[in-house]
Amino acid sequence: DVKVTQSSRYLVKRTGEKVFLECVQDMDHENMFWYRQDPGLGLRLIYFSYDVKMKEKGDIPEGYSVSREKKERFSLILESASTNQTSMYLCASSLSIGGIRETQYFGPGTRLLVL
Amino acid sequence: TQLLEQSPQFLSIQEGENLTVYCNSSSVFSSLQWYRQEPGEGPVLLVTVVTGGEVKKLKRLTFQFGDARKDSSLHITAAQPGDTGLYLCAGAGDSSYKLIFGSGTRLLVRP
Repeated sequence: DVKVTQSSRYLVKRTGEKVFLECVQDMDHENMFWYRQDPGLGLRLIYFSYDVKMKEKGDIPEGYSVSREKKERFSLILESASTNQTSMYLCASSLSIGGIRETQYFGPGTRLLVL
Repeated sequence: TQLLEQSPQFLSIQEGENLTVYCNSSSVFSSLQWYRQEPGEGPVLLVTVVTGGEVKKLKRLTFQFGDARKDSSLHITAAQPGDTGLYLCAGAGDSSYKLIFGSGTRLLVRP
């Protein structure tokens, strides 16, 4: 069965802390994505990766960085957390680039509160 | 910039009623997907539509892709409490691996 797991369901951090969100997929997928979800705004793409060590900025990359050292793992890093980064963070993966029928498989999300 | 607008934002109906959710854009999409997200979970894909005018049925859910591939609708017949959730449409944008999501429709079906 397809599975995307995220390291934490809930996180509380203080302003200025460095925050790591981890995502692991067990489907040997090429692509991995990080989104944030805020009420009324839908899902907004932060970063995505189409291969190990490869990454591209999404629509809202400011204040975030990512790391993909292994195919199955994609990390989102908040270098210095701020209150406006309080949100639900969703990780997703998909098989390969190029298919318009590509399904993205999502993890359960990490709800981050920055105080 | 490609945008997808969903309407309505919120919908609260009684069990057994019918409803339609709309997803509209001024841009053409190569494909459009519908996801459902339940509380505390990530979105799960319901359907992908690819061809203009395409209609797909999934039990009591009917999905339609507009002829011009700029809009889509989701119709639920005889809604049940298990249909409660956030419904998201997503279009394949200029890069096929990048999805553009609508803002979502939150549906509550009351028993």
